[in-house]
Amino acid sequence: DAGVIQSPRHEVTEMGQEVTLRCKPISGHDYLFWYRQTMMRGLELLIYFNNNVPIDDSGMPEDRFSAKMPNASFSTLKIQPSEPRDSAVYFCASSLSGGGETQYFGPGTRLLVL
Amino acid sequence: DQQVKQNSPSLSVQEGRISILNCDYTNSMFDYFLWYKKYPAEGPTFLISISSIKDKNEDGRFTVFLNKSAKHLSLHIVPSQPGDSAVYFCAAGRRFQGAQKLVFGQGTRLTINP
Repeated sequence: DAGVIQSPRHEVTEMGQEVTLRCKPISGHDYLFWYRQTMMRGLELLIYFNNNVPIDDSGMPEDRFSAKMPNASFSTLKIQPSEPRDSAVYFCASSLSGGGETQYFGPGTRLLVL
Repeated sequence: DQQVKQNSPSLSVQEGRISILNCDYTNSMFDYFLWYKKYPAEGPTFLISISSIKDKNEDGRFTVFLNKSAKHLSLHIVPSQPGDSAVYFCAAGRRFQGAQKLVFGQGTRLTINP
Protein backbone atom coordinates (compact mmCIF):
# COMPACT_ATOMS: atom_id res chain seq x y z
CA ASP A 1 0.00 0.00 0.00
CA ALA A 2 1.22 3.47 -0.85
CA GLY A 3 1.72 5.74 2.09
CA VAL A 4 1.34 9.49 2.15
CA ILE A 5 3.07 10.99 -0.87
CA GLN A 6 4.60 14.45 -0.88
CA SER A 7 6.22 16.45 -3.63
CA PRO A 8 8.67 17.88 -4.17
CA ARG A 9 11.03 16.29 -1.66
CA HIS A 10 13.33 19.29 -1.81
CA GLU A 11 12.66 22.86 -2.85
CA VAL A 12 15.09 25.74 -3.04
CA THR A 13 13.69 29.13 -3.91
CA GLU A 14 14.44 32.79 -3.55
CA MET A 15 12.76 35.13 -1.17
CA GLY A 16 9.57 36.56 -2.61
CA GLN A 17 8.80 33.59 -4.82
CA GLU A 18 5.66 31.49 -4.56
CA VAL A 19 6.10 27.97 -3.25
CA THR A 20 3.57 25.16 -3.61
CA LEU A 21 3.89 21.93 -1.69
CA ARG A 22 1.77 18.93 -2.61
CA CYS A 23 0.35 15.98 -0.74
CA LYS A 24 -1.55 12.85 -1.59
CA PRO A 25 -3.03 11.19 1.51
CA ILE A 26 -3.51 7.48 2.03
CA SER A 27 -6.50 6.33 0.02
CA GLY A 28 -9.64 6.25 2.12
CA HIS A 29 -8.31 8.50 4.86
CA ASP A 30 -10.64 11.38 5.61
CA TYR A 31 -8.35 13.58 7.68
CA LEU A 32 -5.35 15.41 6.30
CA PHE A 33 -2.85 17.40 8.34
CA TRP A 34 -0.05 19.80 7.44
CA TYR A 35 2.87 20.16 9.87
CA ARG A 36 6.05 22.18 9.88
CA GLN A 37 9.28 21.19 11.60
CA THR A 38 11.92 23.72 12.55
CA MET A 39 14.82 23.65 14.99
CA MET A 40 13.29 26.41 17.08
CA ARG A 41 9.66 25.30 17.25
CA GLY A 42 9.87 21.58 16.60
CA LEU A 43 6.99 19.84 14.88
CA GLU A 44 3.88 22.00 14.85
CA LEU A 45 0.44 21.58 13.34
CA LEU A 46 -0.48 24.18 10.74
CA ILE A 47 -3.91 23.14 9.50
CA TYR A 48 -6.08 20.08 9.07
CA PHE A 49 -8.95 19.01 6.86
CA ASN A 50 -11.83 16.60 7.25
CA ASN A 51 -13.50 15.36 4.09
CA ASN A 52 -11.70 18.10 2.14
CA VAL A 53 -13.02 20.86 4.42
CA PRO A 54 -10.58 22.92 6.52
CA ILE A 55 -11.41 22.36 10.18
CA ASP A 56 -8.73 24.20 12.10
CA ASP A 57 -6.19 26.60 10.62
CA SER A 58 -5.17 28.21 13.89
CA GLY A 59 -1.60 27.03 13.40
CA MET A 60 -1.11 28.78 10.07
CA PRO A 61 1.55 31.38 10.83
CA GLU A 62 0.54 34.21 8.53
CA ASP A 63 -1.68 35.18 5.66
CA ARG A 64 1.18 34.31 3.35
CA PHE A 65 0.31 30.67 4.02
CA SER A 66 -2.73 29.03 2.47
CA ALA A 67 -3.86 25.44 2.10
CA LYS A 68 -6.45 23.79 -0.08
CA MET A 69 -7.88 20.35 -0.57
CA PRO A 70 -9.81 20.28 -3.85
CA ASN A 71 -10.52 16.56 -3.59
CA ALA A 72 -9.99 13.58 -1.33
CA SER A 73 -6.68 12.62 -2.89
CA PHE A 74 -4.86 15.94 -3.15
CA SER A 75 -3.89 18.89 -1.01
CA THR A 76 -1.59 21.87 -1.46
CA LEU A 77 0.17 24.20 0.93
CA LYS A 78 1.14 27.47 -0.68
CA ILE A 79 3.45 30.19 0.59
CA GLN A 80 3.28 33.51 -1.21
CA PRO A 81 5.55 35.38 -0.94
CA SER A 82 8.13 33.13 0.67
CA GLU A 83 10.64 34.39 3.24
CA PRO A 84 13.89 32.88 4.58
CA ARG A 85 12.21 32.16 7.93
CA ASP A 86 9.84 29.80 6.12
CA SER A 87 12.75 27.42 5.61
CA ALA A 88 11.73 24.18 7.30
CA VAL A 89 10.60 20.64 6.63
CA TYR A 90 6.90 20.46 5.85
CA PHE A 91 5.08 17.22 6.55
CA CYS A 92 1.70 16.02 5.44
CA ALA A 93 -0.13 13.33 7.42
CA SER A 94 -3.44 11.55 7.09
CA SER A 95 -5.69 9.51 9.34
CA LEU A 96 -8.94 7.62 9.26
CA SER A 97 -11.81 8.53 11.53
CA GLY A 98 -13.09 5.56 13.45
CA GLY A 99 -9.92 3.66 12.71
CA GLY A 100 -7.91 4.80 15.66
CA GLU A 101 -6.11 8.02 16.25
CA THR A 102 -2.92 7.32 14.40
CA GLN A 103 -1.69 9.88 11.92
CA TYR A 104 0.52 8.56 9.14
CA PHE A 105 3.18 10.93 7.89
CA GLY A 106 4.67 11.49 4.49
CA PRO A 107 8.42 11.83 3.91
CA GLY A 108 8.29 15.62 4.05
CA THR A 109 9.37 18.47 1.81
CA ARG A 110 12.56 20.25 2.78
CA LEU A 111 12.16 23.91 1.86
CA LEU A 112 15.02 26.36 1.70
CA VAL A 113 14.23 30.00 1.00
CA LEU A 114 17.31 32.05 0.13
CA ASP B 1 4.66 27.72 26.06
CA GLN B 2 5.67 24.10 25.56
CA GLN B 3 2.81 21.82 26.45
CA VAL B 4 4.81 18.67 25.75
CA LYS B 5 8.40 18.38 26.85
CA GLN B 6 11.09 15.84 26.27
CA ASN B 7 13.84 17.01 28.57
CA SER B 8 16.55 14.70 27.29
CA PRO B 9 17.77 15.74 23.83
CA SER B 10 19.79 12.56 23.56
CA LEU B 11 20.22 9.15 25.11
CA SER B 12 22.85 6.49 24.57
CA VAL B 13 22.16 2.86 25.48
CA GLN B 14 24.06 -0.36 25.03
CA GLU B 15 22.57 -2.97 22.73
CA GLY B 16 20.44 -5.47 24.64
CA ARG B 17 19.75 -3.12 27.53
CA ILE B 18 16.55 -1.22 28.25
CA SER B 19 15.99 2.21 26.72
CA ILE B 20 13.69 4.54 28.64
CA LEU B 21 12.49 7.73 27.01
CA ASN B 22 10.52 10.26 29.00
CA CYS B 23 7.93 12.88 28.22
CA ASP B 24 6.04 15.40 30.36
CA TYR B 25 2.93 17.36 29.50
CA THR B 26 1.11 20.23 31.11
CA ASN B 27 -2.42 20.14 29.72
CA SER B 28 -4.72 17.76 31.62
CA MET B 29 -7.17 17.88 28.71
CA PHE B 30 -4.96 15.66 26.57
CA ASP B 31 -6.64 12.28 26.19
CA TYR B 32 -4.39 10.39 23.82
CA PHE B 33 -0.65 9.95 23.68
CA LEU B 34 1.60 8.58 20.98
CA TRP B 35 5.24 7.85 20.31
CA TYR B 36 6.72 8.33 16.87
CA LYS B 37 10.12 7.29 15.60
CA LYS B 38 11.96 9.27 12.97
CA TYR B 39 14.93 8.41 10.80
CA PRO B 40 16.83 11.13 8.91
CA ALA B 41 15.14 12.34 5.72
CA GLU B 42 11.97 10.40 6.51
CA GLY B 43 8.66 11.30 8.07
CA PRO B 44 7.79 10.27 11.63
CA THR B 45 6.61 6.67 11.88
CA PHE B 46 3.97 5.68 14.40
CA LEU B 47 5.29 3.39 17.10
CA ILE B 48 2.80 2.97 19.91
CA SER B 49 -0.04 4.85 21.59
CA ILE B 50 -2.06 4.94 24.79
CA SER B 51 -5.41 6.33 25.74
CA SER B 52 -5.76 8.39 28.90
CA ILE B 53 -8.02 5.72 30.39
CA LYS B 54 -5.12 3.27 30.49
CA ASP B 55 -1.80 3.34 32.27
CA LYS B 56 0.13 0.85 30.18
CA ASN B 57 0.20 -0.42 26.63
CA GLU B 58 2.56 -3.04 25.31
CA ASP B 59 3.51 -4.00 21.76
CA GLY B 60 6.38 -6.42 21.41
CA ARG B 61 9.57 -4.79 22.64
CA PHE B 62 7.82 -1.46 23.18
CA THR B 63 5.82 -0.46 26.24
CA VAL B 64 4.33 2.93 26.99
CA PHE B 65 3.48 3.93 30.54
CA LEU B 66 1.18 6.79 31.45
CA ASN B 67 1.08 8.48 34.85
CA LYS B 68 -1.77 10.96 34.67
CA SER B 69 -1.31 12.37 38.13
CA ALA B 70 2.27 13.25 37.29
CA LYS B 71 1.43 14.17 33.70
CA HIS B 72 4.22 11.93 32.58
CA LEU B 73 4.64 9.19 30.02
CA SER B 74 7.54 6.98 29.16
CA LEU B 75 8.54 4.59 26.42
CA HIS B 76 10.45 1.45 27.30
CA ILE B 77 12.31 -0.51 24.65
CA VAL B 78 13.51 -3.94 25.71
CA PRO B 79 15.87 -5.22 24.48
CA SER B 80 17.33 -2.30 22.57
CA GLN B 81 18.62 -3.04 19.08
CA PRO B 82 20.89 -1.03 16.75
CA GLY B 83 17.94 -0.40 14.43
CA ASP B 84 16.23 1.47 17.24
CA SER B 85 18.70 4.32 16.82
CA ALA B 86 16.52 7.25 15.74
CA VAL B 87 14.82 10.36 17.05
CA TYR B 88 11.77 9.62 19.16
CA PHE B 89 8.92 12.09 19.49
CA CYS B 90 6.15 11.91 22.02
CA ALA B 91 2.86 13.53 21.10
CA ALA B 92 -0.21 14.40 23.12
CA GLY B 93 -3.61 14.74 21.56
CA ARG B 94 -6.89 16.40 22.31
CA ARG B 95 -9.94 15.66 20.26
CA PHE B 96 -11.24 18.60 18.27
CA GLN B 97 -13.88 18.34 15.59
CA GLY B 98 -13.43 14.60 15.31
CA ALA B 99 -9.65 14.45 15.05
CA GLN B 100 -6.81 14.40 17.48
CA LYS B 101 -4.93 17.69 17.48
CA LEU B 102 -1.43 16.57 18.30
CA VAL B 103 1.23 18.55 20.14
CA PHE B 104 4.72 17.12 19.78
CA GLY B 105 7.72 17.21 22.05
CA GLN B 106 11.10 18.32 20.75
CA GLY B 107 12.37 14.78 20.37
CA THR B 108 15.04 12.58 21.96
CA ARG B 109 17.84 11.17 19.85
CA LEU B 110 18.41 7.56 20.88
CA THR B 111 21.69 5.89 20.01
CA ILE B 112 22.10 2.17 20.55
CA ASN B 113 25.73 1.16 20.89
CA PRO B 114 26.86 -2.35 19.87
